[in-house]
Amino acid sequence: AQKITQTQPGMFVQEKEAVTLDCTYDTSDQSYGLFWYKQPSSGEMIFLIYQGSYDEQNATEGRYSLNFQKARKSTNLVISASQLGDSAMYFCAMREGQGTGGFKTIFGAGTRLFVKA
Amino acid sequence: AAGVIQSPRHLIKEKRETATLKCYPIPRHDTVYWYQQGPGQDPQFLISFYEKMQSDKGSIPDRFSAQQFSDYHSELNMSSLELGDSALYFCASSFSGGGEKLFFGSGTQLSVL
Repeated sequence: AQKITQTQPGMFVQEKEAVTLDCTYDTSDQSYGLFWYKQPSSGEMIFLIYQGSYDEQNATEGRYSLNFQKARKSTNLVISASQLGDSAMYFCAMREGQGTGGFKTIFGAGTRLFVKA
Repeated sequence: AAGVIQSPRHLIKEKRETATLKCYPIPRHDTVYWYQQGPGQDPQFLISFYEKMQSDKGSIPDRFSAQQFSDYHSELNMSSLELGDSALYFCASSFSGGGEKLFFGSGTQLSVL
């Protein structure tokens, strides 16, 4: 069965510094997708970054990058130059399955990030 | 750009009542997902539809049903509501040719009194 583990319930980071949020996953599928979402206090879920299981390069989207280590089944999110607006809950997520068709995406328990001024 | 539209934003119901939540996916998206997020919890997958057919099913109670219509909008019907159904209900959509990353609506906050 697929599973996502985020072991950091809360993290603090100083403004303008970088922070790494950890995520490990468990799956028996060879083809899967890994995602990170941000949920601010307003409640919306915002897509941040995606890594496919066959992607050899680590994904990068602006200040967000992934440290994808397939053998260790981990996909840590790195946020560079933290901003006060980065304070939010961050969810790691995984989709199993190949091809088209609405395969479910499951979420980890989340990490709440606090950015200090 | 158009986003996923959910209605209503807030809903208050009594125990044993019914509720219908609506979701309008992003145009051209062919897949819709429903998630339930309790306070302080991660989103729990309920059900998904691809091209108007049920695709995958998660921890959706038998009291709940959902469908996707010909215009791709989806409705989640909830009957015999219980206090424990109080949660934020998200709809998300995706395009099957786009890595299936989910785009979420703003959610419907359901409160059962």
